[in-house]
Amino acid sequence: GAVVSQHPSWVICKSGTSVKIECRSLDFQATTMFWYRQFPKQSLMLMATSNEGSKATYEQGVEKDKFLINHASLTLSTLTVTSAHPEDSSFYICSATRGAYEQYFGPGTRLTVT
Amino acid sequence: QKEVEQNSGPLSVPEGAIASLNCTYSDRGSQSFFWYRQYSGKSPELIMSIYSNGDKEDGRFTAQLNKASQYVSLLIRDSQPSDSATYLCACPGGATNKLIFGTGTLLAVQP
Repeated sequence: GAVVSQHPSWVICKSGTSVKIECRSLDFQATTMFWYRQFPKQSLMLMATSNEGSKATYEQGVEKDKFLINHASLTLSTLTVTSAHPEDSSFYICSATRGAYEQYFGPGTRLTVT
Repeated sequence: QKEVEQNSGPLSVPEGAIASLNCTYSDRGSQSFFWYRQYSGKSPELIMSIYSNGDKEDGRFTAQLNKASQYVSLLIRDSQPSDSATYLCACPGGATNKLIFGTGTLLAVQP
C-alpha cells in the first residue's frame, strides 16, 4: 500500500509556457500533500504544503503566483508552473501523507524548459 | 529553526559489512523519525520509521533512537551494492505535519 503516482514523469516545454503536474495517492486518502523541488546533487527543497479544499501554504521564497497548487480531492493535487523559464528546470516531486507524518513520495517529474 | 543533521559522506563500506548512518536533531520534542532511501535520479522511498527509544528491526535494517541524546541511526547489515544510495533522515517540523529532512548521507557499498 501507499502508492503515489505523478504525471507526467518528464516534460519539455518552451520558455513562457505553463506546465501542469498531477500527483495522485492511488490506494489511500492523503491528509496532506507536499511539493518538493530538487536540483542535481542538491537536497530536497520543500515548496509548499497542500491540503484538500484549502489554499496551499508556500515556503519562504517560493512564488505562489508562479507555482499554482490546486488540491481538488483527498487523492489529487496539481502543481502548475506558470510562465516557465529555463531556471525552473528541475526535478519536481510530490508526496502524500498517510497518518500524521509518514510521507510517501511520487516518482517525480523531470521538467526541462528550453 | 528546527534542524536535522547528517554527515554528507560518502560513507564507503565493503560488501557484506555493516553500514552505520547517523542523524542528530535539534527539536527535543520530536516523537517520530523516518529514514528514506534515494537512489540517484529517483525520488525518496520510506524504508523505516521509529517512534520509541531503542531499536526497531526490519530485515537487514535496524533503526536506533536515543531521545535523550537526540540521535537516530540506521544500521544496514550485510550491505549490498544495491544499497548504494543517499539516505535521508527526517522528523516532524513542529506545528505543521511537514517533515524536516537532513541533507542525506551518500552510502557507497564496494563489491
